[in-house]
Amino acid sequence: DQQVKQNSPSLSVQEGRISILNCDYTNSMFDYFLWYKKYPAEGPTFLISISSIKDKNEDGRFTVFLNKSAKHLSLHIVPSQPGDSAVYFCAASLGRNFGNEKLTFGTGTRLTIIP
Amino acid sequence: GAGVSQSPSNKVTEKGKDVELRCDPISGHTALYWYRQSLGQGLEFLIYFQGNSAPDKSGLPSDRFSAERTGGSVSTLTIQRTQQEDSAVYLCASSLRKEETQYFGPGTRLLVL
Repeated sequence: DQQVKQNSPSLSVQEGRISILNCDYTNSMFDYFLWYKKYPAEGPTFLISISSIKDKNEDGRFTVFLNKSAKHLSLHIVPSQPGDSAVYFCAASLGRNFGNEKLTFGTGTRLTIIP
Repeated sequence: GAGVSQSPSNKVTEKGKDVELRCDPISGHTALYWYRQSLGQGLEFLIYFQGNSAPDKSGLPSDRFSAERTGGSVSTLTIQRTQQEDSAVYLCASSLRKEETQYFGPGTRLLVL
């Protein structure tokens, strides 16, 4: 049972345009959400996170949006750069009060930025 | 300023053999986690250590899997009598405290023939 779903295995975006990566979850107890980025032969690296008390968190070119009623979050990258080409994983946890240590990951979306 | 390191980077073994995977967390990090990523799957939580507390083993898929963390630092994940379905990338992560961001190592790619 996949509690965190990334339905697009791959996405190609022109350099300079906006990249939008989507993630859906089924467990309404999830309270904290993260995005990780992974290059080949490397471990995932933390990108940005959002708590359920917010609907938006922004960090430079990266913005994460959370729609709790729809159990949906998205990562926006603007403008997209060639170095953004990687696999992006969405992850969720029960929040800091209930075990933030157990992250549940999606299957990832491979983003390719076309120069 | 080393990050999380894991060894070996790749391991090929025969079905039925035991394997040991090693993780060196970031110095000073009290929490350590093991995940695995099977082909086409997301990362799957296996086990979690926090300081001197008993580990959370709730993600271990069978009793063939075990892990220990010696001296609150290095951790070893052991898989006994490996099966082909154990083939995956095994990732270790550490965090300063359990509620903090997890930093991942590069992983060990295990192939069971």
